[in-house]
Parts: sequence; C-alpha cells; structure tokens
Amino acid sequence: DAGITQSPRHKVTETGTPVTLRCHQTENHRYMYWYRQDPGHGLRLIHYSYGVKDTDKGEVSDGYSVSRSKTEDFLLTLESATSSQTSVYFCAITGQEDYEQYFGPGTRLTVT
Amino acid sequence: AQSVTQPDIHITVSEGASLELRCNYSYGATPYLFWYVQSPGQGLQLLLKYFSGDTLVQGIKGFEAEFKRSQSSFNLRKPSVHWSDAAEYFCAVGSSGYSTLTFGKGTMLLVSP
Repeated sequence: DAGITQSPRHKVTETGTPVTLRCHQTENHRYMYWYRQDPGHGLRLIHYSYGVKDTDKGEVSDGYSVSRSKTEDFLLTLESATSSQTSVYFCAITGQEDYEQYFGPGTRLTVT
Repeated sequence: AQSVTQPDIHITVSEGASLELRCNYSYGATPYLFWYVQSPGQGLQLLLKYFSGDTLVQGIKGFEAEFKRSQSSFNLRKPSVHWSDAAEYFCAVGSSGYSTLTFGKGTMLLVSP
C-alpha cells in the first residue's frame, strides 16, 4: 500500500470556523491531490500540487486553499467552513507511472 | 474538457453470475483509463488501468476491462461475482498535463445470495 495518511480522520466543526486537513506521504512523489466525495457526485478534484509550492485549482476549488511547503505534506484549508463543505475528503498521490493515483483513507468532515 | 459517464447508479447481481459495469468517456486524445473500487467506509483501490497496447486489460480480484475506442467505452467485467465484490465502482479518465483524473459518479454493486 502507498504510504499515505490523512489527519484528522473525523472532524465536526461549526459554520464559519477555519479547518485544516493534512495529507502526509512517505513515497516522495511529486504530485498530490485533494478530492471531495459526495453522494451522486463521485469524486471531484479540489486542488492539486505538482511540486513544493506549486499548486493549481481543480473543478471545485471555491472556498478552499492549499499549501505544500514540503514534498511529503499537502494541506487543505477551509478558511470559513460552510455546511456545503460537509463531505469526505480524500488525498491522493501518483504512483510509479504517470496518472496512476493512490488514495489515502479519507477524512469525514461535518460542518454544523 | 474530459468527462466520464457511468450510466448505472445501482446494479444487483446474483452471486456466481457474470458482471459488466459500463463506462463511457469523452476525451480528445488517447485516454488513460482506470477502474477503482471503494468498499463502505474505505478509500479507493485501483483495480486496473489502460494506458496503451492490448485493449483487454487484466486487474486484481479477477476483474478485466476492455477499451473500445470506436465506442468510447471502457467496461469492467468479471465472469463470476463473489459476495465480497459488493462495493462502489468508479471509472476515471486521466488528462494531460499534471496527471489529474476525472471520475464518473460511480456504480453501486449489490450482490444477492
């Protein structure tokens, strides 16, 4: 299994509070991704990173920011959480071949 | 922009019967195609992938998929389904550039005794 961990695994927070989710990899891979998963929508890309300090927006980036100061860590921040951001968040990294992504265990976030 | 359609939201198959899950994609160039499986409360596991070459690809757990360019399809098959195959299945297409994936909305497989 790819060495990917996510923290926290579960979080409940209130509307308007900031939240940071962490993705940590031990594979030294260049590319990292954040997705959200919602019923009926599959997985949708929020942001991705193609190197330290190199990030770009995905399909559903509004309300989210990311940072990558080290190869192994990719942080997703909700500056002011809203109920529409209640979701399961997955981090992914690419494997040995281009495009082949491996996923972390997910973080279930509930915004009340 | 690329897109993936999985026409079936739910499929129920009897244990021991054959399975085919449909996936259609839209992509301008030669696509990179994937099938992932997700068991309840778990992350996604890669079942198989198509990059180039032989259009019939074999994956883990006895699954296979066939790439048909003329039909823009990449259907997943298994000859005999086991109860442990009950899960949600996602098809995805890889885009050029930074290895991003676009996922379909998933097909939930239910296995009846």
